[in-house]
Order: sequence, then structure tokens, then C-alpha cells
Amino acid sequence: GEDVEQSLFLSVREGDSSVINCTYTDSSSTYLYWYKQEPGAGLQLLTYIFSNMDMKQDQRLTVLLNKKDKHLSLRIADTQTGDSAIYFCAESTTLGNNRLAFGKGNQVVVIP
Amino acid sequence: NAGVTQTPKFRVLKTGQSMTLLCAQDMNHEYMYWYRQDPGMGLRLIHYSVGEGTTAKGKVPDGYNVSRLKKQNFLLGLESAAPSQTSVYFCASSSGGPPYEQYFGPGTRLTVT
Repeated sequence: GEDVEQSLFLSVREGDSSVINCTYTDSSSTYLYWYKQEPGAGLQLLTYIFSNMDMKQDQRLTVLLNKKDKHLSLRIADTQTGDSAIYFCAESTTLGNNRLAFGKGNQVVVIP
Repeated sequence: NAGVTQTPKFRVLKTGQSMTLLCAQDMNHEYMYWYRQDPGMGLRLIHYSVGEGTTAKGKVPDGYNVSRLKKQNFLLGLESAAPSQTSVYFCASSSGGPPYEQYFGPGTRLTVT
């Protein structure tokens, strides 16, 4: 299967950490991704993690992957107002042809 | 590099009208995709292409046609627009190599009345 589940809404105060969660069903996915969509814009790739890794850190972003539970999370440290956006997780699928399956997105609102 | 561009940005159609959305990429990518985004539905793949001259159906292809006559362009056509096709349409491209990430255009907001 290629269903990707995400919760819908998160509100966080500026300066706090945000954690966004995602579960996926395709255990053979080789890569998992986090995309950010700001209002009125397209999706921007934030980071990705290879399936044989447990964690990846990139500046304020930390990605955690639990393959046993098929759980992916994105932690944003020191959340800023510019982090207000919709965040999508995605997985590469076994359908091939570089097709990605996207979650429904998680809206993050940062309160100043 | 402009990346992935889409024209037009906005369009309003009446039911039954036709139109073509244009996507262009300047990254020499092999793969190109058309998605639609609807509230609460996430992104759904309409059609995709694995190279110049090829097209294939995604998850929601009905009511749409595509063409990839040139590597850098991917066209999405609506032959007879319906209100159910009111959506935001995104084009994306990918090199085809790992990590298989896709690069997105800014989107086209289409309203069918």
C-alpha cells in the first residue's frame, strides 16, 4: 500500500519546538521526505532520509525514522513565524517510475 | 535556473470549456508529474511522464489528457471542464535518480463555474 497518514493541525509558540508526525504503510520505501508548502506556493523539499537511517539532522530540522512502526517525524527547533506552513511527508513507492505518495499535510501555525 | 514554472497562475472556466496548463522545467529532468491538490485530500497524481514522448496515468486521470512532446514541457489538458475539476494544479519534475526528490512549480488555481 501507499497510504501516508498525517494529523492535520499544530499550533506552537515562537521559539518552542514543533514535532510533526507521519505514518506510512509501504515498508519497502527507500526514501522518505518532508516538504513545506507556504500559503499560495508550491511544495518545497525540506529534507529527506534514506530508509536505512534512524535519524538525520539538518540545522534546525531533525528527522526521526522508526521503520518497525513505519513512523516518521520532523522536529523543528526554535520555531519561527516563517515556519508557519503546511508540511507534507512523502514516501518513495514500490510502484516505480519515481512515484511518491504524499500525506494529506499537517498545518503548523506559529504564534508570535 | 527558473526551476519548474507553470502558466497560467489563475484561470476561471465555465463548465464545458477546455484549456491547457503548461509546465516547463529547465533542469533537464526526465520525469514530470501533474498533481491536483484539494482541501483535506493532499496531493493526488493525475498523470506523469518518464521521458519525452511518454505519458502514463496516475491515480485520478479521468477528465484529463497530457502530452510530453518536448523534454522540458509537460502539458495538462481539460477537454470539457467540470466543477469537480476546481482545484489547485501542481506540476513537478524529477531527475530519475536517487533520492528521487521531486521539484514543484508554484501551482495553477483553476475554478470551474
